[in-house]
Amino acid sequence: EAQVTQNPRYLITVTGKKLTVTCSQNMNHEYMSWYRQDPGLGLRQIYYSMNVEVTDKGDVPEGYKVSRKEKRNFPLILESPSPNQTSLYFCASSLSRAVRQYFGPGTRLTVT
Amino acid sequence: GQQLNQSPQSMFIQEGEDVSMNCTSSSIFNTWLWYKQDPGEGPVLLIALYKAGELTSNGRLTAQFGITRKDSFLNISASIPSDVGIYFCAGLAGSQGNLIFGKGTKLSVKP
Repeated sequence: EAQVTQNPRYLITVTGKKLTVTCSQNMNHEYMSWYRQDPGLGLRQIYYSMNVEVTDKGDVPEGYKVSRKEKRNFPLILESPSPNQTSLYFCASSLSRAVRQYFGPGTRLTVT
Repeated sequence: GQQLNQSPQSMFIQEGEDVSMNCTSSSIFNTWLWYKQDPGEGPVLLIALYKAGELTSNGRLTAQFGITRKDSFLNISASIPSDVGIYFCAGLAGSQGNLIFGKGTKLSVKP
């Protein structure tokens, strides 16, 4: 089944403790992206990747890192999480560019 | 940065009614997209618009790419209970990678 998977789905952590949220797609898509969703703010793009080893900042990249070493994986790294990064995170992928993206199920992160 | 103004924020309608929502921006976009998000799920693409003036339908949904390239609207005809959810517009500008989302329209349908 074609899908985008994210792990973990739920995570509660403490300020400053490094964490990684994994994202994987099995559709051989070139484009992958991370978004955060906050009440009243809609979805905001954090980082995106047009292809392997190519990443670019979205609208809210501060406090996040990404890497794209393989086509199927696009992990989101929070080196030193802070409470303002408490949010619902979505990974998405598409064949090329940001059109027709398939979204993952989301990861709900709480930083205390 | 670029912003999309989506309205209305929420709608409460009776089953069978038609619905209209829109997005405007001060910037030009090359592609407009409309997504729907059900509770607890990720957004799902409904319609993609690629050319100014384009009018595209997907079942009971119709969307248009504004002539000025700064706006788009989505219409839902004869609403049904499963139309409930949050609808997002999104715009793609020059980079082809940076997607900007509106804040969403929450639709509630009363049977």
